[in-house]
Amino acid sequence: GAVVSQHPSWVICKSGTSVKIECRSLDFQATTMFWYRQFPKQSLMLMATSNEGSKATYEQGVEKDKFLINHASLTLSTLTVTSAHPEDSSFYICSALTAVGTDTQYFGPGTRLTVL
Amino acid sequence: QKEVEQDPGPLSVPEGAIVSLNCTYSNSAFQYFMWYRQYSRKGPELLMYTYSSGNKEDGRFTAQVDKSSKYISLFIRDSQPSDSATYLCAIREGKLIFGQGTTLQVKP
Repeated sequence: GAVVSQHPSWVICKSGTSVKIECRSLDFQATTMFWYRQFPKQSLMLMATSNEGSKATYEQGVEKDKFLINHASLTLSTLTVTSAHPEDSSFYICSALTAVGTDTQYFGPGTRLTVL
Repeated sequence: QKEVEQDPGPLSVPEGAIVSLNCTYSNSAFQYFMWYRQYSRKGPELLMYTYSSGNKEDGRFTAQVDKSSKYISLFIRDSQPSDSATYLCAIREGKLIFGQGTTLQVKP
């Protein structure tokens, strides 16, 4: 149980275009989902926290107009990178919080974004 | 000072060795400690979860928290090549705060 999926697993896009990444909790309901960014050989940096039905809370330094987050249902959150630039190229990982047991976060497999 | 510090390694050991991975943290009020394993180009996978201090064992893995020293450890017994991955310690304080991760290579 507690499986989180992401789609797509990798994406290449041209500079200036927008890219949407989906995060789904497959076998549980997640009232809270998190979006992280990870550069090569570095740790995960939290970008934002999204709660179903409300606006996302962004970490300091993360542009909310550039990284649009929508938590449309208890099993789906999306991250849209708008007007992508090469410096946005990174590994984006979502996680979902389950309240079952120990409030554990379960992570998706990640999406590798490359902006040309 | 970072809230969680972890030696990035890399750490290379022969198969069968006992591996010790460590993190230090800055805030003595932290109570929830996790270890995640991350294979290359994959998301992190929760390995161990401990609350407060003490040891927790799960198969070949043992997590240890020393609150007096603000030190957390993960021990892997009888290490296998399949254990080769990056190991991330994390503290839950509302949100998860991750260490940098230690890259482990277990050589056959």
